[in-house]
Parts: sequence; C-alpha cells; structure tokens
Amino acid sequence: GENVEQHPSTLSVQEGDSAVIKCTYSDSASNYFPWYKQELGKGPQLIIDIRSNVGEKKDQRIAVTLNKTAKHFSLHITETQPEDSAVYFCAASPDRGSTLGRLYFGRGTQLTVWP
Amino acid sequence: ETGVTQTPRHLVMGMTNKKSLKCEQHLGHNAMYWYKQSAKKPLELMFVYSLEERVENNSVPSRFSPECPNSSHLFLHLHTLQPEDSALYLCASSQDRVDDEQYFGPGTRLTVT
Repeated sequence: GENVEQHPSTLSVQEGDSAVIKCTYSDSASNYFPWYKQELGKGPQLIIDIRSNVGEKKDQRIAVTLNKTAKHFSLHITETQPEDSAVYFCAASPDRGSTLGRLYFGRGTQLTVWP
Repeated sequence: ETGVTQTPRHLVMGMTNKKSLKCEQHLGHNAMYWYKQSAKKPLELMFVYSLEERVENNSVPSRFSPECPNSSHLFLHLHTLQPEDSALYLCASSQDRVDDEQYFGPGTRLTVT
C-alpha cells in the first residue's frame, strides 16, 4: 500500500516568517494530495489540495507544490500568523479505478507561530 | 461547524462495557468514514460506507462494529475493547469519491480503562 512520510514533526516560526512542510509518498499511482489543518479539539479541515496534473497551486498565503517524478509534495505558508498554529497533515490517494479509493495520511506536523 | 456532528465528545468505558459512537452529517453526502487517530501515528482509516453499503473494512478487529442505517447517520458499536483502543475517533463524509473534500467531525475522545 501507499506510505506517506511527513517532515518535520514539529516546526516553530516567528510571526511573519514562512513555514514549509514536506511529504513524500511511495505509490506512483497516487494522484490526489490534500492538506488538512487540525486545531485543538477539532477534526481535520481541508485547507488546500492538488492533483497530479498540476505542479503548483496557491490560495492566498498557502501554496502546495508537487513533484511527481520525485514523489514529493510540500505545503508553504507565507506571512505566518499565530492563528496558523495547528497540526498539519498531508495525505495521498492512489487511483485504483474504483469509485472510492482511500486517503493515506502522514503523521502530522505541529506548527507553532510565535507572536 | 463542518456539518458533521459526533456524539459523545468524550467517553470513558471499561473493557467489559458496550457503547456506541454516533455520527451525523447534514451535507447530503453519499460517503461516510470512520478514522482512528492515535498520538504520534497517522490517521488510520477503519471503515468506508458508500450509499449505506460498506465498501471497505480495513482489517479492523471485530470488537468494532459499524452500522450505517441511512446516508446521514453512521454508528460505531464498541464492545470488549482494550486499553490500546483509547484514541480519538473521527467521522468524515464526502460527496461521493474519496478525492472529494472530506469533512471531518470533531471526534469522540475514547478512553478504555
């Protein structure tokens, strides 16, 4: 099955700095890569996703890049704010041709933004 | 609010108890999921239901028994659990496919004593 590795496990940055979280995956059939943000006491919430026909996607301060050749994808947060502090999860989904595949998650990155 | 609610939010149970977790989605979605979230581990998919039919059972022990009476409700029945089953249990839903956005509930924090 798919194996998703995520680094770093913890990340501390000063407010206004950028944060980068990286993930690698093993299954070349994976073609959907979402990123989730989980705040304390809440379930994960999708913040951005990318599909294998796109190399980069941006939404305001958040961007995701995908390198299918190297099987890695990254989350970039610019101009970080204290409210960005949360656990971030990457995930990958192989397309097996079925209606319902599954998401394989990384272990998460605890991001702390200091004011 | 994501449109997915879970009850109870916290549950403490002994190893001989029987309890149930409930999930309800108000989004009109066709697929629902149970995940287990343990500290320092990736989210583990447990069960997937599509249009009330179980389409995946990810090698979950039989002490966990899911039920999906309709497309809006999902239950996880628990019996004779082990302390290592203590975790956050998350329910999610999506329109149809797994690569539709999955909306997660807040989870049930389960402690098995």
